[in-house]
Amino acid sequence: EAGVAQSPRYKIIEKRQSVAFWCNPISGHATLYWYQQILGQGPKLLIQFQNNGVVDDSQLPKDRFSAERLKGVDSTLKIQPAKLEDSAVYLCASSPIKGQGYEQYFGPGTRLTVT
Amino acid sequence: KNEVEQSPQNLTAQEGEFITINCSYSVGISALHWLQQHPGGGIVSLFMLSSGKKKHGRLIATINIQEKHSSLHITASHPRDSAVYICAVSLSSGSARQLTFGSGTQLTVLP
Repeated sequence: EAGVAQSPRYKIIEKRQSVAFWCNPISGHATLYWYQQILGQGPKLLIQFQNNGVVDDSQLPKDRFSAERLKGVDSTLKIQPAKLEDSAVYLCASSPIKGQGYEQYFGPGTRLTVT
Repeated sequence: KNEVEQSPQNLTAQEGEFITINCSYSVGISALHWLQQHPGGGIVSLFMLSSGKKKHGRLIATINIQEKHSSLHITASHPRDSAVYICAVSLSSGSARQLTFGSGTQLTVLP
């Protein structure tokens, strides 16, 4: 079974530029998550999709971050414009199991550096 | 106060040593997860448990629901075990199937 795929793996941009990340979850996984992980901290949920609908985007900075999951499969996360504090690893995860006590499968992450 | 606390934050051990990483939580949970993160960012799920103990190779995870505490043990540690170990919980009150993460424990095993 192929894992969660993310691209690019690394990205360096200047502040005020735009950037987009792509995620392909494990086939058949209905739930997809985007996390932001700042160095030395645990992942922080940005947005959660169930199929192509948003379940939770309460911690997404909507003035600059946007995400979509067209057709309920692949997803893209965009930052426009980027700030220095957006430097982090952006992780995508997917989950197949309904109800409580589920497991999430993580992608390799995209390391973003904003200069 | 974070809902999930891990200790220690950093741990250095010699190859072969027995290692313990602790996780305490302050909320009701349906499951607790131990995750491993290597340099480069990718996260691998090691264990998901809601009671008792699980073992996989040299790794053992235990949980005490009454005390709201879990431990991850590594026996006969090896330099390839060097990574960040993250504790995360699934909240019992949540319906959105989200994880709440600890800040991680950086483990370095020296040869």
